[in-house]
Amino acid sequence: AQKVTQAQTEISVVEKEDVTLDCVYETRDTTYYLFWYKQPPSGELVFLIRRNSFDEQNEISGRYSWNFQKSTSSFNFTITASQVVDSAVYFCALREGSQGNLIFGKGTKLSVKP
Amino acid sequence: DAGVIQSPRHEVTEMGQEVTLRCKPISGHDYLFWYRQTMMRGLELLIYFNNNVPIDDSGMPEDRFSAKMPNASFSTLKIQPSEPRDSAVYFCASSPGPEAFFGQGTRLTVV
Repeated sequence: AQKVTQAQTEISVVEKEDVTLDCVYETRDTTYYLFWYKQPPSGELVFLIRRNSFDEQNEISGRYSWNFQKSTSSFNFTITASQVVDSAVYFCALREGSQGNLIFGKGTKLSVKP
Repeated sequence: DAGVIQSPRHEVTEMGQEVTLRCKPISGHDYLFWYRQTMMRGLELLIYFNNNVPIDDSGMPEDRFSAKMPNASFSTLKIQPSEPRDSAVYFCASSPGPEAFFGQGTRLTVV
């Protein structure tokens, strides 16, 4: 069965610090997709990134970067030089195939203090 | 596109009443998901549809919950009768492929 584990429930950092959010997944499928979503205090769920199981290239987008490692079943998310606006709950998610369930981890609440 | 539209945004109802939550997916998206979010259980997948057909409803908590998708542009999630433990934020999401895009959610309070 598929499963997503975000072991960090809450993280608090000071502005400009780098922070890494961990995500470990379980799946029996060889084709799957991994995602990160952001939920700011306003409550909406914002899609950030998707990675395919057959593409282990890491990705960087501005201050955000993602490290996908199939060997350890991990898909970690790093925010460089964090800002107060990064304060939110971040969810890692997994979808088996392109038609399966989309399931979420429990989320990591990130607080960035000025 | 306006994105996924959910209504109402907030609903307060008395225990025992019927509640209907509504969702308009993004045009052209083949998949529609209903999730429930609570502090205790996080984001739970309740049911999802592909081309208006329910694919997996194993997350629907009990018979009091039902979901329909009569056409590609509309879905409902109904709770009858509602109970205080149903209080949560209910999200609808639609997807053209792997990733899903979420509505603003409906905050349901059952008193």
